[in-house]
Amino acid sequence: EVQVVESGGGLIQPGGSLRLSCAASGFFVSTSYMSWARQAPGKGLQWVSFINSDGSTYYADTVKGRFTISRDNSKNTLYLQMSSLRAEDTAVYFCTRGEYSYGYVFRGQGTLVTVSS
Amino acid sequence: QSALTQPPSASGSPGQSVTISCTGTSSDVGGYNYVSWYQQHPGKAPKLMIYEVNKRPSGVPDRFSGSKSGNTASLTVSGLQAEDEAHYYCNSYAGTFYVFGTGTEVSVL
Repeated sequence: EVQVVESGGGLIQPGGSLRLSCAASGFFVSTSYMSWARQAPGKGLQWVSFINSDGSTYYADTVKGRFTISRDNSKNTLYLQMSSLRAEDTAVYFCTRGEYSYGYVFRGQGTLVTVSS
Repeated sequence: QSALTQPPSASGSPGQSVTISCTGTSSDVGGYNYVSWYQQHPGKAPKLMIYEVNKRPSGVPDRFSGSKSGNTASLTVSGLQAEDEAHYYCNSYAGTFYVFGTGTEVSVL
């Protein structure tokens, strides 16, 4: 069964760093198109970053230079390293997999990141 | 990377149809046939309902259909049912990133 479990969220002060993890099972992160999306409390969805199967990475302008997407093939895990965090980064972060030709499937429940002093 | 524009709300009676628009630019919706639609119930993760403008993932009822004309994509829900009441978001590939729509809350009257 295809599953992902996001973790690593929590309360962090502005300017701090946090690394989110997305542990995958039932498929290989290394050969998948993977992305992170987020949703601020009570707000809409926002795409954050994606990584292609060839390892190419792309970012939303709002996080470029502050966030880094990566994967560890040996652990079959996707990561999102977040630094210089701001209050507006507060959101539930979802790990998604491209399963239908540019159509990404949300299989986890997300992990909540709260940036506050 | 501006969000795609959707109407804030839409509604219909059970059995009726409702259509949601999603307007972008020639750099996203108009430039690629990679528009997706997501359904999200409160407290739940979004569910992919349409991909590549008009294709349905396995398990999605054929009451859900998608289309596109120029820079505007649309999602139509036919034969509205109570469980269709949710937020709906469009999403488009834009070359080196993706962009979501502002979201539409669909109410079943």
